[in-house]
Amino acid sequence: DAMVIQNPRYQVTQFGKPVTLSCSQTLNHNVMYWYQQKSSQAPKLLFHYYDKDFNNEADTPDNFQSRRPNTSFCFLDIRSPGLGDAAMYLCATSRDPGGRETQYFGPGTRLLVL
Amino acid sequence: GQQVMQIPQYQHVQEGEDFTTYCNSSTTLSNIQWYKQRPGGHPVFLIQLVKSGEVKKQKRLTFQFGEAKKNSSLHITATQTTDVGTYFCAGPRYSSASKIIFGSGTRLSIRP
Repeated sequence: DAMVIQNPRYQVTQFGKPVTLSCSQTLNHNVMYWYQQKSSQAPKLLFHYYDKDFNNEADTPDNFQSRRPNTSFCFLDIRSPGLGDAAMYLCATSRDPGGRETQYFGPGTRLLVL
Repeated sequence: GQQVMQIPQYQHVQEGEDFTTYCNSSTTLSNIQWYKQRPGGHPVFLIQLVKSGEVKKQKRLTFQFGEAKKNSSLHITATQTTDVGTYFCAGPRYSSASKIIFGSGTRLSIRP
């Protein structure tokens, strides 16, 4: 089945230690998104790629970076995780950009910062 | 800035009771989507509404888009334990139509 896969499902890191979260998709969608979701809150968009074009949200900290080496894969790099970065990180895809496009979410990676 | 608010924030109902969540946008929306997120899960797309006044049904779920396209509602008839989760509405960002903004969400819990 076509799907969005995230690895790992749970990640524990130390304060200040770089961590990379990965996302892959078999939907062949053009757009890949990274969201941060904290407990009892709505998903918050960090950035997205439309093909190779990177679009950063104005309020996304510089601590967060992303890479999309090909259509199928996208990575979220947190250079120096702080305690406030503990959250669920959701990857999503859509066929094309636009508010009418359905977004397909992966299962998420829950990040714990010690 | 653009805001999409949902009420109530939480709803606890007896199984079999009805449930409604309301979504209100500060700006007119070209369309609205609804997602469901089970506890510990990820958002899953439910439906999209595009037309003013549109009503769509999925079994026990009824979705409505307001005439002014600034509000929407989701009504669940005779809730079941499988309906537990958080329901989010989402609409296009006013500043960038390539992105969506999620509502604040309504968490539904059910007493068996």
